[in-house]
This record gives sequence, C-alpha cells and structure tokens, in this order.
Amino acid sequence: KNEVEQSPQNLTAQEGEFITINCSYSVGISALHWLQQHPGGGIVSLFMLSSGKKKHGRLIATINIQEKHSSLHITASHPRDSAVYICAVVSMDSNYQLIWGAGTKLIIKP
Amino acid sequence: AAGVIQSPRHLIKEKRETATLKCYPIPRHDTVYWYQQGPGQDPQFLISFYEKMQSDKGSIPDRFSAQQFSDYHSELNMSSLELGDSALYFCASTLRLNGGETQYFGPGTRLLVL
Repeated sequence: KNEVEQSPQNLTAQEGEFITINCSYSVGISALHWLQQHPGGGIVSLFMLSSGKKKHGRLIATINIQEKHSSLHITASHPRDSAVYICAVVSMDSNYQLIWGAGTKLIIKP
Repeated sequence: AAGVIQSPRHLIKEKRETATLKCYPIPRHDTVYWYQQGPGQDPQFLISFYEKMQSDKGSIPDRFSAQQFSDYHSELNMSSLELGDSALYFCASTLRLNGGETQYFGPGTRLLVL
C-alpha cells in the first residue's frame, strides 16, 4: 500500500465545474503540499498545509490531521487548470523528504 | 524574489557519457533535494544535502554522485549514462532552520540519453 494515495487518478470535467481531488496518507507528517505540474514538466507549489484550510483565488485546500486526509478544490474550473495535481507529504521520519502521491491528471474541456 | 535555478534546462547525451546538473538554491536556504521523474512516473527522491553535508540518500544509483558546495549550490554528477536515465531532474531547496517543510522547486533539467 502506498503511503500517499490520491483519487481520482484521472478526471475530465467541463469548464465551470467544481473539482475535488482527494489525498490520504498513512505516515506521520509535519506538512502536506499540493503541487501542480504542467505538460512541460515544471512543478509549482500551490499550497503547504499543516492544519485547517487555505484559499488562493479559485483554489481551496483543506487538511484533516486526525483523519490523515486532504482535499484540493477548484471552483469555476477553466481549461488552463488542466494539469497534473500532486499531493506530497513531508514525512516526520526522514528529514523532511517529500513522499509523493501518484498525481491526478485533470482535463477541463471548454 | 529569487527562485531555485537549475542548469542546464535541457541536456542531450549519449549512452556511457557523463552529465553534470547544477542547482542554485534560493539565497540563504541551507538544504537541497534532488528528485528524478521518469516519463509517466512519480518523482523519486535521490539525495539531499544540509549545510554542505549529505543528509539523506534515496534511490540514487551508484553511477551518480552529488555534492553541495560552500556557496550552497549543488551538482549532480551522472556517469556511464544509460537510456533509463532519461528523465526530468528536479532540485528543491528549503531553509531547515525555519522548519524546512516548504520546499521550493526549480524548473527542472530535462535529460535525454540517446
């Protein structure tokens, strides 16, 4: 069983839809990242969470430490949101290495 | 604000050649991480350095070596390149004294081995 699991693996939606991507983890963490990777490969950090909820524009990220679960929401989705979204946790056991989820490939159709 | 710089951005090599990838962390960051992402794969942790000393070692092949210099930049040296080394190599930096959870990623070096 992977230490970080994301769902769904693939998601196709229409422009304007509300998007939710989920992440569950099984290790002790000090923080959780939501990252965005575009087809060119560059990775952009969207959020770093250790508790509660953060909002940036149309993106909202939440984390429940007790349930070891985080969600990334996109409101009013747009084709430019199409990318791979990766959940990665900062493991408390190994000097802040990131443990990566497999990513969710999101396609937003116009 | 200055970000993590990686060079070169693209590199084409032939089998059995060597390659050196460079990473310049955000100024004052004391920790550098290297990750390898093969085509269609999750990023894999290779190695990290804290204050110029190796901190953790992941799935880095013996053919690869890395170091962090006095100015905190890091170099990943890859020898006897194989086709399977073709990947995107990310570097990330953080300030561990500040907690270290926030890693800032460079744009990556895309290596193609022919």
